[in-house]
Order: sequence, then structure tokens, then C-alpha cells
Amino acid sequence: EIVLTQSPGTLSLSPGARATLSCRASQRVSSSSLAWYQQIPGQAPRLVLHGATSRAAGFPDRFSGSGSGTDFTLTISRLEPEDFAVYYCQQYGNSPPTFGPGTKLEI
Amino acid sequence: QVQMLQSGAEVKKPGASVKVSCKTSGYTFSDYGISWVRQAPGQGLEWMGWITAYNGNTNYAQNFRDRVTMTTDTSTSTAYMELRSLRSDDTAVYYCGRDLWFGDLFGRSPQEDWGQGTLVTVSS
Repeated sequence: EIVLTQSPGTLSLSPGARATLSCRASQRVSSSSLAWYQQIPGQAPRLVLHGATSRAAGFPDRFSGSGSGTDFTLTISRLEPEDFAVYYCQQYGNSPPTFGPGTKLEI
Repeated sequence: QVQMLQSGAEVKKPGASVKVSCKTSGYTFSDYGISWVRQAPGQGLEWMGWITAYNGNTNYAQNFRDRVTMTTDTSTSTAYMELRSLRSDDTAVYYCGRDLWFGDLFGRSPQEDWGQGTLVTVSS
């Protein structure tokens, strides 16, 4: 199965700053089948991006994704207070789908 | 509006079984697959498997293949996940998630809509 590694484990930033989260796969992710989820403690995950770059409903253009192959990035420009959460990447192109360990974005 | 309503918290003893339900509404149940994902306390997300109500096809993660059964009831648009031979490390919040895309995708889709989660506690 594909193992995903996320870095950093924790990212401490201030509102208004730019956040760059990384996700690296142990092997090529087919068809850029890479998603990002946001999870606020006590809540279910929420889909942020899919296909590495396509924003899900409800997320503003401050959220953007890039990458292909084995290296992917989620960028959040101009952080808002509601953006501070844990972010997980997931590859769904190869079975079984797998998640990264998460990056905690904290103030 | 898509809604996914899961059953309530459960407390089970080691060796027992648990069956979690996920009642859906707001879309055609058989058009979209459902994945089950769990999260142990303070830990990350773990994909357990996937099912489609269209034809009952399933795709289970290797770690759960001999202990999990996923089913659907099209008459009530409800998906079920049963986990047997429970251990203390099965203590987790269990989520159902609906595929973003319709079709028989065997889990090869992100999840767009999620249930609220069901806490299963395994303790003697």
C-alpha cells in the first residue's frame, strides 16, 4: 500500500500568514488522486481539495493545491482563525486508500 | 441536502461485536459508494473499507478483512459496518463517508459527506 508522510507535524503561524503543508507518497499516486481534508477537534473530516488541485464546495480560493507523482502541497494564503485545524492528505488512486498522519496547524 | 446520521455511542467488552449504522438522505443511495473510516483517540484517520448499495460490492482493507462486514439496506438508505472480535485497540470514533463521485469505484474516490461519527469503546 502507499504510505503517505506529512510535514511538518505541527505548524505554528499567525492569522494573515501563509501556510504550506507537504504530503509525500512512498510511490507515485496515480492520476493525481490526492485529497486534502480539514478536521476540527470533535468534528468529522471535511474535504478541502481533490485531484490534488480542485477545491471542494465551501472552501475559498485561499486554499490551493499543487503537485504530482509523489510530492503534493496544500497552501493556505492569508490564514483566517477558522483555518486552524488538523489537515490530512489521502491518496485514493491505489487500493487501499491511505491517509497521511496529519499536520496540525495551530495559532 | 445530503445527510448522514450515524447510530449512537457503544460500549463493548473484548471479544464482542459492534454494528454501526449510517442512515443517509438527500441523494440516490445506490448511486454512491460509502467508505468507513475510523480514528483512535488522538490519532489519525484509518480507512477500513467501502461498499456500494448498487450491487453490494465491497472492498475491505487487509487489516480488517477477517473481522469486518459492511452491508446496505436500500429500503432505508442505510449502510452498516459490523466489526467482530473487538479488542481494546478498536476503541475509536467510526465514520461513514459518501463518495464524491457516483459509480462502482471500490473506494477510489475521496469522501465528500460524512456522518457525525460513532464512538465505540472496548473495555472489560
